[in-house]
Amino acid sequence: AQKVTQAQTEISVVEKEDVTLDCVYETRDTTYYLFWYKQPPSGELVFLIRRNSFDEQNEISGRYSWNFQKSTSSFNFTITASQVVDSAVYFCALSEAVGSGNTGKLIFGQGTTLQVKP
Amino acid sequence: EAQVTQNPRYLITVTGKKLTVTCSQNMNHEYMSWYRQDPGLGLRQIYYSMNVEVTDKGDVPEGYKVSRKEKRNFPLILESPSPNQTSLYFCASWKGEGSTEAFFGQGTRLTVV
Repeated sequence: AQKVTQAQTEISVVEKEDVTLDCVYETRDTTYYLFWYKQPPSGELVFLIRRNSFDEQNEISGRYSWNFQKSTSSFNFTITASQVVDSAVYFCALSEAVGSGNTGKLIFGQGTTLQVKP
Repeated sequence: EAQVTQNPRYLITVTGKKLTVTCSQNMNHEYMSWYRQDPGLGLRQIYYSMNVEVTDKGDVPEGYKVSRKEKRNFPLILESPSPNQTSLYFCASWKGEGSTEAFFGQGTRLTVV
C-alpha cells in the first residue's frame, strides 16, 4: 500500500533560519510522482513541486530546495533563510502513474505546520 | 484562466439537513475527486470520478454521495450531515493518462452542529 509520512507535526524557527521538512514515502510502483503543497492560513492548497520517480536530481527554486533520494524513499524540502510569509502547513504527497487501472490518486502525508517567528 | 471552483467557501449547517457542495472545472479534465482535510490526518480521498457517469469510492466514502453527469461538474452531496463531517473539503481535477498534476479548488469549510 502507498503511504506518506511526515513525522514532524510542528516546527518553529526564527526568521532567517534554514529549515528542512521531512517526507518519507512507501510504494510498490516503479513509476510514481511526489509533490509538495503549501497551505497558507487562508486555506487554499498551493502547488510547489512535482517530481517523477525517474528523476532524482535535486531542484532549487529561489529559497526552496528539494532532495529526492530513492534509496531512502525520502523527498525532503528545505527552506533557506526562512521568512514569516513561509508560515503555513506543508503537505508531501505521492501519486501513482495514471493508466493500467491506476487513477493518479494523491496520497497525502499528515502535514507539517511551520511557524516562522520574526 | 484554468481553475477549479468550489461553492460555497464556508457553510454552517445543522445535523440531518441535506446539503450539496458544488465543484466545477474548466480544463476538460477527465478525473475529479473530493478530499477532506482533518488535523493530523492530512487529506483523504472521499470519492473520485474517471469520467462522466463513472464514479468510485475513495478511502472515506461513508456519509457522502457524488455524481458526474457532466464532465465539468462533480458535486458532493451529504444526505444527512453529522458533526463528524465537520471538515475542510477540497475538490481536485486532473487530466488523466500521462498527467498527474492535480488542480485544487479553494476549499469549503463545513461545520455541522
